[in-house]
Amino acid sequence: QSALTQPRSVSGSPGQSATISCTGTSNDVGGYNYVSWYQQHPGKVPQVIIYDVTKRPSGVPDRFSGSKSGNTASLTISGLQAEDEADYYCSSYAGSYIFIFGGGTKVTVL
Amino acid sequence: QLVESGGGSVQPGGSLSLSCAASGFSFSNYWMNWVRQAPGKGLVWVSLININGGITAYADSVKGRFTISRDNTKNTVYLQMNALRAEDTAVYYCARPRDGGYYLDFWGQGILVTVSS
Repeated sequence: QSALTQPRSVSGSPGQSATISCTGTSNDVGGYNYVSWYQQHPGKVPQVIIYDVTKRPSGVPDRFSGSKSGNTASLTISGLQAEDEADYYCSSYAGSYIFIFGGGTKVTVL
Repeated sequence: QLVESGGGSVQPGGSLSLSCAASGFSFSNYWMNWVRQAPGKGLVWVSLININGGITAYADSVKGRFTISRDNTKNTVYLQMNALRAEDTAVYYCARPRDGGYYLDFWGQGILVTVSS
Protein backbone atom coordinates (compact mmCIF):
# COMPACT_ATOMS: atom_id res chain seq x y z
CA GLN A 1 0.00 0.00 0.00
CA SER A 2 2.45 2.65 -1.13
CA ALA A 3 1.09 6.12 -1.78
CA LEU A 4 0.60 7.10 -5.38
CA THR A 5 3.32 9.42 -6.68
CA GLN A 6 2.44 13.02 -7.46
CA PRO A 7 4.71 16.04 -8.05
CA ARG A 8 4.92 18.17 -4.93
CA SER A 9 4.09 21.36 -6.77
CA VAL A 10 2.89 22.69 -10.10
CA SER A 11 2.50 26.31 -11.10
CA GLY A 12 1.20 28.36 -13.97
CA SER A 13 -0.02 31.80 -14.90
CA PRO A 14 -3.70 32.61 -15.20
CA GLY A 15 -5.11 31.25 -18.42
CA GLN A 16 -2.36 28.67 -18.84
CA SER A 17 -2.81 24.93 -18.45
CA ALA A 18 -1.43 22.83 -15.62
CA THR A 19 -1.14 19.05 -15.55
CA ILE A 20 -0.65 16.91 -12.47
CA SER A 21 0.50 13.32 -12.82
CA CYS A 22 -0.36 10.45 -10.51
CA THR A 23 1.75 7.34 -10.87
CA GLY A 24 0.87 4.01 -9.36
CA THR A 25 1.20 0.40 -10.37
CA SER A 26 -0.73 -2.22 -12.29
CA ASN A 27 -2.33 -3.15 -8.96
CA ASP A 28 -4.04 0.18 -8.54
CA VAL A 29 -4.06 2.97 -11.16
CA GLY A 30 -3.26 0.64 -14.04
CA GLY A 31 -5.61 -2.09 -12.94
CA TYR A 32 -8.84 -0.20 -12.42
CA ASN A 33 -10.66 2.75 -13.98
CA TYR A 34 -11.42 4.06 -10.52
CA VAL A 35 -9.09 7.03 -10.24
CA SER A 36 -10.51 10.12 -8.58
CA TRP A 37 -9.12 13.57 -7.93
CA TYR A 38 -9.81 15.84 -4.96
CA GLN A 39 -9.28 19.54 -4.52
CA GLN A 40 -8.56 20.90 -1.05
CA HIS A 41 -8.30 24.58 -0.24
CA PRO A 42 -6.46 25.53 2.97
CA GLY A 43 -8.51 24.72 6.04
CA LYS A 44 -11.27 23.19 3.97
CA VAL A 45 -12.64 19.71 3.40
CA PRO A 46 -11.55 17.86 0.23
CA GLN A 47 -13.95 17.97 -2.68
CA VAL A 48 -14.05 15.48 -5.54
CA ILE A 49 -13.50 17.06 -8.96
CA ILE A 50 -12.91 13.98 -11.13
CA TYR A 51 -14.03 10.40 -10.65
CA ASP A 52 -13.73 7.19 -12.65
CA VAL A 53 -10.65 8.67 -14.39
CA THR A 54 -12.50 11.14 -16.63
CA LYS A 55 -15.91 12.01 -15.17
CA ARG A 56 -16.78 15.35 -13.63
CA PRO A 57 -19.42 15.71 -10.90
CA SER A 58 -22.09 18.26 -11.63
CA GLY A 59 -20.98 21.74 -10.70
CA VAL A 60 -17.29 21.17 -11.40
CA PRO A 61 -16.03 23.48 -14.15
CA ASP A 62 -15.16 21.82 -17.44
CA ARG A 63 -11.65 23.26 -17.31
CA PHE A 64 -10.87 20.26 -15.09
CA SER A 65 -10.28 17.03 -17.00
CA GLY A 66 -8.81 13.64 -16.24
CA SER A 67 -7.07 10.93 -18.22
CA LYS A 68 -5.04 7.78 -17.75
CA SER A 69 -2.34 5.94 -19.62
CA GLY A 70 -0.99 2.72 -18.20
CA ASN A 71 -0.10 3.18 -14.55
CA THR A 72 -0.25 6.98 -14.67
CA ALA A 73 -3.32 9.16 -14.35
CA SER A 74 -3.35 12.88 -15.01
CA LEU A 75 -5.43 15.89 -14.03
CA THR A 76 -5.35 18.86 -16.38
CA ILE A 77 -6.58 22.29 -15.45
CA SER A 78 -7.13 24.28 -18.63
CA GLY A 79 -7.23 28.02 -18.26
CA LEU A 80 -5.93 28.37 -14.71
CA GLN A 81 -7.86 30.73 -12.47
CA ALA A 82 -6.87 32.21 -9.15
CA GLU A 83 -9.40 30.08 -7.31
CA ASP A 84 -7.73 26.93 -8.61
CA GLU A 85 -4.84 27.53 -6.23
CA ALA A 86 -5.18 24.58 -3.86
CA ASP A 87 -3.85 21.14 -3.03
CA TYR A 88 -4.86 18.30 -5.31
CA TYR A 89 -4.89 14.61 -4.46
CA CYS A 90 -5.39 11.59 -6.66
CA SER A 91 -6.88 8.38 -5.33
CA SER A 92 -7.24 4.91 -6.78
CA TYR A 93 -8.99 1.70 -5.91
CA ALA A 94 -6.38 -0.99 -5.30
CA GLY A 95 -8.52 -4.10 -5.03
CA SER A 96 -9.74 -5.99 -1.96
CA TYR A 97 -11.67 -2.91 -0.79
CA ILE A 98 -8.43 -0.92 -0.39
CA PHE A 99 -7.99 2.65 -1.57
CA ILE A 100 -4.80 4.67 -1.92
CA PHE A 101 -4.21 8.41 -2.11
CA GLY A 102 -1.37 10.25 -3.72
CA GLY A 103 0.93 12.47 -1.69
CA GLY A 104 -0.72 15.62 -2.99
CA THR A 105 0.28 18.45 -5.34
CA LYS A 106 0.20 22.11 -4.49
CA VAL A 107 -0.98 24.18 -7.45
CA THR A 108 0.17 27.78 -7.46
CA VAL A 109 -1.32 30.36 -9.79
CA LEU A 110 1.42 32.88 -10.48
CA GLN B 1 -24.33 16.00 7.13
CA LEU B 2 -21.54 14.04 8.78
CA VAL B 3 -20.39 15.12 12.22
CA GLU B 4 -17.33 13.55 13.83
CA SER B 5 -16.78 13.47 17.57
CA GLY B 6 -14.53 11.82 20.13
CA GLY B 7 -11.22 13.34 19.18
CA GLY B 8 -8.69 14.80 21.56
CA SER B 9 -5.30 14.16 23.06
CA VAL B 10 -4.01 10.78 24.19
CA GLN B 11 -0.68 9.35 25.21
CA PRO B 12 1.20 6.88 23.03
CA GLY B 13 -0.15 3.40 23.56
CA GLY B 14 -3.54 4.73 24.52
CA SER B 15 -6.97 4.32 22.95
CA LEU B 16 -9.58 6.62 21.51
CA SER B 17 -12.95 6.05 19.88
CA LEU B 18 -14.25 8.29 17.13
CA SER B 19 -17.88 8.57 16.11
CA CYS B 20 -19.42 9.98 12.96
CA ALA B 21 -23.13 10.79 13.08
CA ALA B 22 -24.89 10.98 9.73
CA SER B 23 -28.04 12.82 8.84
CA GLY B 24 -29.88 13.94 5.75
CA PHE B 25 -29.45 10.73 3.79
CA SER B 26 -30.29 7.06 4.08
CA PHE B 27 -27.22 6.05 6.09
CA SER B 28 -27.91 2.32 6.03
CA ASN B 29 -27.65 2.29 2.23
CA TYR B 30 -24.10 3.61 2.09
CA TRP B 31 -20.65 2.22 2.68
CA MET B 32 -18.59 4.54 4.90
CA ASN B 33 -14.90 5.45 5.09
CA TRP B 34 -12.41 7.08 7.41
CA VAL B 35 -9.62 9.21 5.93
CA ARG B 36 -6.95 11.04 7.91
CA GLN B 37 -4.62 13.95 7.33
CA ALA B 38 -1.61 14.63 9.51
CA PRO B 39 -0.87 18.32 10.12
CA GLY B 40 0.51 19.85 6.93
CA LYS B 41 0.49 16.48 5.19
CA GLY B 42 -1.60 14.66 2.61
CA LEU B 43 -4.73 12.56 2.73
CA VAL B 44 -4.45 8.92 3.78
CA TRP B 45 -7.26 6.42 3.44
CA VAL B 46 -7.72 4.55 6.73
CA SER B 47 -10.67 2.20 6.63
CA LEU B 48 -14.06 1.36 5.13
CA ILE B 49 -17.13 -0.60 6.08
CA ASN B 50 -19.99 -1.87 3.97
CA ILE B 51 -23.68 -1.30 4.59
CA ASN B 52 -24.19 -4.05 7.16
CA GLY B 53 -20.70 -4.26 8.63
CA GLY B 54 -19.94 -7.56 6.98
CA ILE B 55 -17.06 -6.15 4.98
CA THR B 56 -14.31 -4.03 6.50
CA ALA B 57 -10.91 -3.02 5.19
CA TYR B 58 -7.93 -1.19 6.62
CA ALA B 59 -4.75 0.51 5.53
CA ASP B 60 -1.67 -1.50 6.47
CA SER B 61 -0.58 1.29 8.80
CA VAL B 62 -3.58 0.77 11.10
CA LYS B 63 -4.45 -2.90 10.56
CA GLY B 64 -4.67 -4.77 13.83
CA ARG B 65 -4.90 -1.54 15.86
CA PHE B 66 -8.01 0.18 14.50
CA THR B 67 -11.52 -1.25 14.20
CA ILE B 68 -14.33 0.25 12.15
CA SER B 69 -17.95 -0.50 12.99
CA ARG B 70 -21.39 0.96 12.47
CA ASP B 71 -24.82 1.14 14.07
CA ASN B 72 -27.47 1.71 11.44
CA THR B 73 -30.11 2.28 14.13
CA LYS B 74 -28.09 5.29 15.30
CA ASN B 75 -26.89 6.39 11.84
CA THR B 76 -23.36 6.32 13.18
CA VAL B 77 -20.02 4.88 12.10
CA TYR B 78 -17.22 4.38 14.60
CA LEU B 79 -13.45 4.06 14.58
CA GLN B 80 -11.91 2.40 17.62
CA MET B 81 -8.23 3.26 17.75
CA ASN B 82 -5.93 1.26 20.02
CA ALA B 83 -2.17 1.22 20.57
CA LEU B 84 -1.97 4.76 19.28
CA ARG B 85 1.34 6.12 18.01
CA ALA B 86 2.62 9.63 17.47
CA GLU B 87 2.26 9.10 13.73
CA ASP B 88 -1.49 8.59 14.16
CA THR B 89 -1.77 12.30 14.98
CA ALA B 90 -4.09 13.71 12.34
CA VAL B 91 -7.45 15.16 11.48
CA TYR B 92 -9.77 12.23 10.94
CA TYR B 93 -12.55 12.62 8.39
CA CYS B 94 -15.49 10.33 7.89
CA ALA B 95 -16.58 10.26 4.29
CA ARG B 96 -19.33 8.73 2.25
CA PRO B 97 -18.82 7.31 -1.23
CA ARG B 98 -21.25 7.95 -4.00
CA ASP B 99 -23.78 5.11 -4.02
CA GLY B 100 -22.07 2.33 -5.94
CA GLY B 101 -19.12 4.57 -6.66
CA TYR B 102 -15.43 4.37 -5.94
CA TYR B 103 -14.97 7.94 -4.80
CA LEU B 104 -15.90 10.03 -1.78
CA ASP B 105 -18.48 12.67 -2.49
CA PHE B 106 -19.50 13.73 1.02
CA TRP B 107 -17.11 14.51 3.88
CA GLY B 108 -17.42 15.49 7.49
CA GLN B 109 -15.55 18.49 8.83
CA GLY B 110 -12.98 16.31 10.54
CA ILE B 111 -11.80 15.86 14.10
CA LEU B 112 -8.30 16.21 15.47
CA VAL B 113 -6.57 13.36 17.24
CA THR B 114 -3.26 14.16 18.92
CA VAL B 115 -1.01 11.40 20.23
CA SER B 116 1.69 12.85 22.43
CA SER B 117 3.34 12.29 25.77
